Amino acid sequence: DGGITQSPKYLFRKEGQNVTLSCEQNLNHDAMYWYRQDPGQGLRLIYYSQIVNDFQKGDIAEGYSVSREKKESFPLTVTSAQKNPTAFYLCASTTGTGKSNTEAFFGQGTRLTVV
Amino acid sequence: GEDVEQSLFLSVREGDSSVINCTYTDSSSTYLYWYKQEPGAGLQLLTYIFSNMDMKQDQRLTVLLNKKDKHLSLRIADTQTGDSAIYFCAEKGTGNYGGSQGNLIFGKGTKLSVKP
Repeated sequence: DGGITQSPKYLFRKEGQNVTLSCEQNLNHDAMYWYRQDPGQGLRLIYYSQIVNDFQKGDIAEGYSVSREKKESFPLTVTSAQKNPTAFYLCASTTGTGKSNTEAFFGQGTRLTVV
Repeated sequence: GEDVEQSLFLSVREGDSSVINCTYTDSSSTYLYWYKQEPGAGLQLLTYIFSNMDMKQDQRLTVLLNKKDKHLSLRIADTQTGDSAIYFCAEKGTGNYGGSQGNLIFGKGTKLSVKP
């Protein structure tokens, strides 16, 4: 079955550590996205990538980094520069950003907690 | 920039209709969406509407679009306890207000609570 998979589901980070969240899709989608969700804040866009080897900052990119070496994969690294990383992180993919309907498929999320 | 506004909470009794409202910024948006998020999970697409439509019905769901007022609503008929979730309104960004064309702009979500 085609879909988008995030791992791990739960992640604990110590102060000062970098951690990497995985996102893989087998939908052959061009565009991939990372969102952060905090209670009452909705979804805030961290980074997005519309094509392999290219990515753009979203609204809250500071303290995060990404790579897009393969179409299927868009890992997110939460660096020690991110001062408040505890949140629920969602990865999504879409067929593209043209004029047609853009249905987004979401992973099940990773809950990151700083300990 | 582009913005999507929703009320944060809605509480209804089982069997009643629920109406979740949303306003958006960009009148040239071509597609508008409703997503559902259950606790601890990702978002799932419920339905969408193309901007040249006023209404779309899909079983218990009715979407109404008022382009003049930039207002979108989702009506759930005969609301069940299983409908309890967070509902997100989203518009497909056009890039007219900055940002990238085609990115989805989400509201903050409306938490629907259904009481037995």
